[in-house]
Amino acid sequence: SAVISQKPSRDICQRGTSLTIQCQVDSQVTMMFWYRQQPGQSLTLIATANQGSEATYESGFVIDKFPISRPNLTFSTLTVSNMSPEDSSIYLCSVIRRLSTEAFFGQGTRLTVV
Amino acid sequence: ELKVEQNPLFLSMQEGKNYTIYCNYSTTSDRLYWYRQDPGKSLESLFVLLSNGAVKQEGRLMASLDTKARLSTLHITAAVHDLSATYFCAVVELEYGNKLVFGAGTILRVKS
Repeated sequence: SAVISQKPSRDICQRGTSLTIQCQVDSQVTMMFWYRQQPGQSLTLIATANQGSEATYESGFVIDKFPISRPNLTFSTLTVSNMSPEDSSIYLCSVIRRLSTEAFFGQGTRLTVV
Repeated sequence: ELKVEQNPLFLSMQEGKNYTIYCNYSTTSDRLYWYRQDPGKSLESLFVLLSNGAVKQEGRLMASLDTKARLSTLHITAAVHDLSATYFCAVVELEYGNKLVFGAGTILRVKS
């Protein structure tokens, strides 16, 4: 399995501020994704993180609110901008390794906005 | 647009009993995943099913895939308390690379 380090594991933030979440993988991966899991809900894809270019966002998610970077094949960040209590969720990065069909998830970041 | 329906959404079982969780999806796909999530934790990969008729087993869990019916099942045999968790199926949306579309999840509670 891929070793995925996601930081921070949890945070409590004031509304109006921003938080950047990091995802580091132990080896090169072909695909990196960011998901959101709202309390008691399933997972929803926010965007696909593309190396060296703009992320591909899903309907309902925009770059101004969730800017994503992926400077290389093993690292990506997701920023949750201008936070409101509705952004309180678990955010998870997911990767698919080269020559593999398995999709692994990071430990998740539990965000609470007060 | 791919839709994934999972049922039941909540399952309360007695230890030692058998039960099945169902995962239906609406459009053709070539990959289906099953995950387990414990409270406050991330997702643990259980199975990846790649072809019609695929069957995989790990301990008391067995997953199968029927691509023609667009149906996967997760069968639990002789449930034990440690299996209590939320189980998700996820299906790859072929038109959009490796994007996963998740079912709503099944909360499983095994009563000892």
